[in-house]
Amino acid sequence: DADVTQTPRNRITKTGKRIMLECSQTKGHDRMYWYRQDPGLGLRLIYYSFDVKDINKGEISDGYSVSRQAQAKFSLSLESAIPNQTALYFCATTAGDRGGYTFGSGTRLTVV
Amino acid sequence: GQQLNQSPQSMFIQEGEDVSMNCTSSSIFNTWLWYKQDPGEGPVLLIALYKAGELTSNGRLTAQFGITRKDSFLNISASIPSDVGIYFCAGHRGNTPLVFGKGTRLSVIA
Repeated sequence: DADVTQTPRNRITKTGKRIMLECSQTKGHDRMYWYRQDPGLGLRLIYYSFDVKDINKGEISDGYSVSRQAQAKFSLSLESAIPNQTALYFCATTAGDRGGYTFGSGTRLTVV
Repeated sequence: GQQLNQSPQSMFIQEGEDVSMNCTSSSIFNTWLWYKQDPGEGPVLLIALYKAGELTSNGRLTAQFGITRKDSFLNISASIPSDVGIYFCAGHRGNTPLVFGKGTRLSVIA
């Protein structure tokens, strides 16, 4: 099994719909992150969490919300999806503040 | 917004050639990391650098943490077709999340 699992892998949804992307990790790490990737823009941070009771906004949090249900689970929600939220979404986890992140395989979201 | 300037944006090279890409910042970073992303997958860590001046190799890959702590480079020697992908630099400042460059898309012509 993968260290970081994201579901679904692909999703097409309509404008205005609520959608949740899920992430779970088996690394036992406290820190989890959601990034968004757009062509030519690299990876931009949406939200992050350093432990179960901690939620922090990233660079581009508008239009998104998150829930840290357990140490191993961190979900990202789009309350009312819009077309410019079409992107590749990645979840990641790490143990500390200087280590590399382990990424999931991503969720490709298309909003029509 | 993003604070890392990564160049070049894309490269087309012949198999066997060496490749060099770099990342600069106006801010000091404590850690520099280099990732590779294959199509349809998440980024995978290639090399992590923790000290100014540090030079680290991983097979045909070599990366350095700049003396000023504001830059880093990645070299790939004798490129092969499986080197194709997007390479990202990333850095930590203090206890903040990783900041990523915009990526270098590498294409290798056999």
